[in-house]
Amino acid sequence: DTGVSQDPRHKITKRGQNVTFRCDPISEHNRLYWYRQTLGQGPEFLTYFQNEAQLEKSRLLSDRFSAERPKGSFSTLEIQRTEQGDSAMYLCASSLVRYEQYFGPGTRLTVT
Amino acid sequence: SQQGEEDPQALSIQEGENATMNCSYKTSINNLQWYRQNSGRGLVHLILIRSNEREKHSGRLRVTLDTSKKSSSLLITASRAADTASYFCATDASTSGSRLTFGEGTQLTVNP
Repeated sequence: DTGVSQDPRHKITKRGQNVTFRCDPISEHNRLYWYRQTLGQGPEFLTYFQNEAQLEKSRLLSDRFSAERPKGSFSTLEIQRTEQGDSAMYLCASSLVRYEQYFGPGTRLTVT
Repeated sequence: SQQGEEDPQALSIQEGENATMNCSYKTSINNLQWYRQNSGRGLVHLILIRSNEREKHSGRLRVTLDTSKKSSSLLITASRAADTASYFCATDASTSGSRLTFGEGTQLTVNP
């Protein structure tokens, strides 16, 4: 499968715990994006990488959130001290140029 | 915050009928894209229309863009049960092409 992959697909955690998600983009894509989607809503932009550089962050990305893309390949999104409001689907997308973004299947986070 | 607003929020039709979904947005854009999302899955890119284009076709899909009214429509002709999904419009309004701003989506149900 040469699409965008995300791991894990589902994560249940207790409030206050830290979680980390991984995204593997399509191999030749240099742009990588993270979005968050809550039930019944469209995705909301979180952050964007071009190669290994994080070029833009949404104000939705509080200090508890951090994203990395070492070596410009896969990316990780970490949420520290999770809160119930963090429960959502976390989507990763990649693109070669600024146009069509290819989305992964998402990681569904449930904070209890 | 969401830039786009889709109309209607939900649409139920019979197989073989046409489905029309509308999207309005607030700011100047570089391009507008439509995505489909099956329940609990990632998003699939359908079609992109640039700000200098007025109409675009792809298979059974027809997209129009009216930048003076800041609106777009997606027409799916001869609908099939497999078209049942949520449909989102997304606008690219950034200078760097770093983010898409999604609407809240239209839930389309095609009854066999």
